[in-house]
Amino acid sequence: QSVLTQPPSASGTPGQRVTISCSGSSSNIGSNSVYWYQHLPETAPTLLIHRSNQRPSGVPDRFSGSKSGTSASLAISGLRSEDEADYYCAAWDDRLSGVVFGGGTKLTVL
Amino acid sequence: EVQLVESGGGSVQPGGSLRLSCAAGGFTFSSFWMHWVRLAPGRGLEWVSRIDGDGNTINYADSVKGRFTMSRDNARNSVFLQMNSLRPEDTAVYHCATDGGAAPEHWGQGTLVTV
Repeated sequence: QSVLTQPPSASGTPGQRVTISCSGSSSNIGSNSVYWYQHLPETAPTLLIHRSNQRPSGVPDRFSGSKSGTSASLAISGLRSEDEADYYCAAWDDRLSGVVFGGGTKLTVL
Repeated sequence: EVQLVESGGGSVQPGGSLRLSCAAGGFTFSSFWMHWVRLAPGRGLEWVSRIDGDGNTINYADSVKGRFTMSRDNARNSVFLQMNSLRPEDTAVYHCATDGGAAPEHWGQGTLVTV
């Protein structure tokens, strides 16, 4: 049981916009930045979004993040086949004194 | 370019020990917090521990507290994870990662631990 809650799956067709939600509490998302990662099989996870809505250099602007209260979301516009991957949200948790992750969302490009 | 290379994984019996290493390069190592994160088969990412640049402050997930010890050697640009009293549920790919402000930023490819 993950501290942050994500839908287990999401899907879309090429060119579509999809969003992935991440729900937490006042001790994590409510008081700290949210991070989003993309994980392809047999590779290292890569950071897509930090500080809730900032893209590291090299991340396409098709990826965007937002946060409101104790929830956050990742949006992917202009969906491509190479976006098919697992996506995770994360945040520091003040009560647990540790990083907490969502359970991951498997994105399928139909 | 940030480089992180983990080593030390392998197969061990329950109750056994392993020591993981992570060699870092491409950044000012001693200035950065570092993390260990694991990915178990069929399960999601799970944060394990983090350590500050001086090695004086270390945090652990409750699931490993008292069994795992994280350390670093800034002269060798390396972090370590000593894992004792290993359990089958510790089976996972273990990744080291740099800190991005409050959570991991750059990740290594990982090393597989099988208990």
